[in-house]
Amino acid sequence: ETGVTQSPTHLIKTRGQQVTLRCSSQSGHNTVSWYQQALGQGPQFIFQYYREEENGRGNFPPRFSGLQFPNYSSELNVNALELDDSALYLCASSPPRGAIDEQFFGPGTRLTVL
Amino acid sequence: AQTVTQSQPEMSVQEAETVTLSCTYDTSENNYYLFWYKQPPSRQMILVIRQEAYKQQNATENRFSVNFQKAAKSFSLKISDSQLGDTAMYFCAFLYNQGGKLIFGQGTELSVKP
Repeated sequence: ETGVTQSPTHLIKTRGQQVTLRCSSQSGHNTVSWYQQALGQGPQFIFQYYREEENGRGNFPPRFSGLQFPNYSSELNVNALELDDSALYLCASSPPRGAIDEQFFGPGTRLTVL
Repeated sequence: AQTVTQSQPEMSVQEAETVTLSCTYDTSENNYYLFWYKQPPSRQMILVIRQEAYKQQNATENRFSVNFQKAAKSFSLKISDSQLGDTAMYFCAFLYNQGGKLIFGQGTELSVKP
């Protein structure tokens, strides 16, 4: 069974640029959640995708957007990057509703904005 | 809004000893889930233990156990026979509906010393 994978591992961008982060969910999982973890902080919920639709959003501006594909993989897009967007971005997948409620995390993408 | 508070930014314990990490939360919900996640320096978030709020019995997973006090909104993690591999950031997290967003505390950095 393949776990949650994320790419790239590290990324360096400059302020104002756009970035796309990718996540492959664990086999059999149809829900993907994205979190932003600033250095020394706990993860903060960005949004969740369920069956290709956004299913809840945290307190993040519209320049944070996402997609979920038919195979349940997902992308996180951030436009007009700001210095404060520097963080570890975590993706987590969950099994179908009614199954266990655990979220399984990927290793994360470390984004640095200069 | 739900909040999770971990009041111990750092803790240390001698190998083979027992340590307790504290977590309090605030919610008006009656049915919810609580989790402890471990994030080693390699950064992949791993579930340590979970507790359903409707269960009165405290969860136990091998050397890890919780003290869940629903009325006090307290959810502490006890690690027995601490091992060097337990060195990590530990996050307490709250989930109030199945498939919803996880709300994390600020984390406790645990160091196990030989």
